[in-house]
Amino acid sequence: DLVMTQSPDSLAVSLGERATINCKSSQSVLSSSNDRNYLSWYQQKPGQPPKLLIYWASTRQSGVPDRFSGSGSGTHFTLTISSLQAEDVAVYYCQQYYTTPYTFGQGTKLEIK
Amino acid sequence: QVQLVQSGAEVKKPGASVRVSCKASGYMFTSYHLHWVRQAPGRGLEWMGRINPRGAYTVYAQDFQGRVTMTRDTSTSTVFLDLSSLRSEDTAIYYCARAGVWELLGDWGQGTLVIVSS
Repeated sequence: DLVMTQSPDSLAVSLGERATINCKSSQSVLSSSNDRNYLSWYQQKPGQPPKLLIYWASTRQSGVPDRFSGSGSGTHFTLTISSLQAEDVAVYYCQQYYTTPYTFGQGTKLEIK
Repeated sequence: QVQLVQSGAEVKKPGASVRVSCKASGYMFTSYHLHWVRQAPGRGLEWMGRINPRGAYTVYAQDFQGRVTMTRDTSTSTVFLDLSSLRSEDTAIYYCARAGVWELLGDWGQGTLVIVSS
């Protein structure tokens, strides 16, 4: 199985500051057939199901604020929140949808400093 | 709008089986895969598998092979997750999620808590 590893496990950032979460895959999730990275990011707030934020490593889902951005290719990816807002407190997960099982990272808990 | 409504919480004894349902509405049921993802208390997300409602084709994660069965009823637009030989480690919230194009999980059910306890 393809293993997804996120860092850090938890992160505390001041309001208005940048938050950066990393995700590493044990194998490349870049498809040679379409040059796309099969990597998505989800946000999960307490008591709620996950919410899709970003797919193809860098494409924001409709309605997601533009302070959220994704980058990376191959095996290393980053989710960046450019200016942290109180409502961004959540756990963030990366997931690869390149090959089954569609594995998730272990999650990164983002809090306000 | 798309809605996925799951069945209610379950309490089961070790060794028993559980069935969780997920009723879909607001879209053409047979046009989108449905996935199952679980989350143990205080833990991360674990992908269990998916079903194609059109032909009932399934893909299961190896960790659940032999214990999991995903089925669907097109007449009621409902998918079912059956998990057998339950153990305490299966205590979790079980989510169904609709996959759009490229298996992106854009719509989720509210989750069903399954507790396995003697």
